[in-house]
Formats: sequence, C-alpha cells, structure tokens
Amino acid sequence: KNEVEQSPQNLTAQEGEFITINCSYSVGISALHWLQQHPGGGIVSLFMLSSGKKKHGRLIATINIQEKHSSLHITASHPRDSAVYICAVFYNTDKLIFGTGTRLQVFP
Amino acid sequence: SQTIHQWPATLVQPVGSPLSLECTVEGTSNPNLYWYRQAAGRGLQLLFYSVGIGQISSEVPQNLSASRPQDRQFILSSKKLLLSDSGFYLCAYQKPFRGWTEAFFGQGTRLTVV
Repeated sequence: KNEVEQSPQNLTAQEGEFITINCSYSVGISALHWLQQHPGGGIVSLFMLSSGKKKHGRLIATINIQEKHSSLHITASHPRDSAVYICAVFYNTDKLIFGTGTRLQVFP
Repeated sequence: SQTIHQWPATLVQPVGSPLSLECTVEGTSNPNLYWYRQAAGRGLQLLFYSVGIGQISSEVPQNLSASRPQDRQFILSSKKLLLSDSGFYLCAYQKPFRGWTEAFFGQGTRLTVV
C-alpha cells in the first residue's frame, strides 16, 4: 500500500462542474503539497498547507490532520484546468512522498 | 526572484551511453536540492537529495549518481544507461528552514533510453 493514496486516478468533467480530488496518507506529516503537472511535464505548486483550508482563485484545498486526509476542489472547472494533480506530503520536514496523481480532463 | 533551471528538456540516449543532467537554482543560497524520477504511470520517486556542497544522500540504489559541485548546482549522472533508466526526471529545491518550506520544481527532462 502506498503511503499517499489519491482518488480518483482519472476524472473527466464538463466545463463548469465542481471537482473534488482526494488524498489520504498513512504517515505522520508536517505539511502537504498540492501540485499541478501539465502535459509537458513541468510541475507547479498550487498549495502548501498544514491545517484548515486555503483558497486561490477557483481552487480550494482543505486538510484534516487527525483524519490524515486532504481534498483539492476546483469550482467552475475549465478546459485549461486539465492536468495531473499530485498530492505530496512532507515527511521528516525535508522529504516529500508523492501520490501517483489524478488525471483530470475538462471538456468544453 | 527564485528560479530553477533544468536541462535538457528531452534526451534520447542509447543503452550503455553516459548521462549528465544539470540543474541550477537562482535567487537563493544553500538550498536543499532534490532529484526525482517519474516512471510512466507512476508517482514521483526521490532519487537523491543534498543539503550542501558535496553532501549527497541516495534514497534508492540504482545505476545513477548525483553530485553538487557548487551551492546551487545539482548534477545527475550515469556511466552506462540502462533501458530501465527511461523516465521523467525532475529537479527540485527547498529553501533551508527549520521545519518545512515550499518545494519548487524544474521543468523536467524526459529521458528515453533506446
């Protein structure tokens, strides 16, 4: 079993739909990263959070440390949101453990 | 501003040939540097990390090695590539801080060993 599990693995949506991607982890962590990987492969950081909730534009990330679970929400999804979304947890402060990612496709 | 450069973006190399991937960071000093590999359909796997010049820790035994000749330069190498070395390689850095800091990633190198 992977230490970081994401669901679903693949997700398709129509433009405008509300999207939720889930991340569960089994190790004790200090913080969690949500990352976005576009088809070219480059990765950008969306959020880093250790408690509660963060919002940036149409993106919202929440984390529940006690339940070892985080969610990434996209409101009013758009085709340009199509990408792979990766959850990664900070373990021992300086090491990241990655989930395998959720591939999102948003159709117009 | 802080940036991270990684090159080349794509590489096709024959089995048995050497490899050198370079990563440089600008705008910060004494960063923690990382090399990750992403095999097809799999998550990112930490290969090497470095907390200072000449200090390299290996997470997974393999055909690869890493070096940090300068504070903001991290090099991934192999003397003889294997087919199984194909994948997507990412360099990343974190600013040193007691605790955790955001990770920044390079654009990656897609390596195909033929």
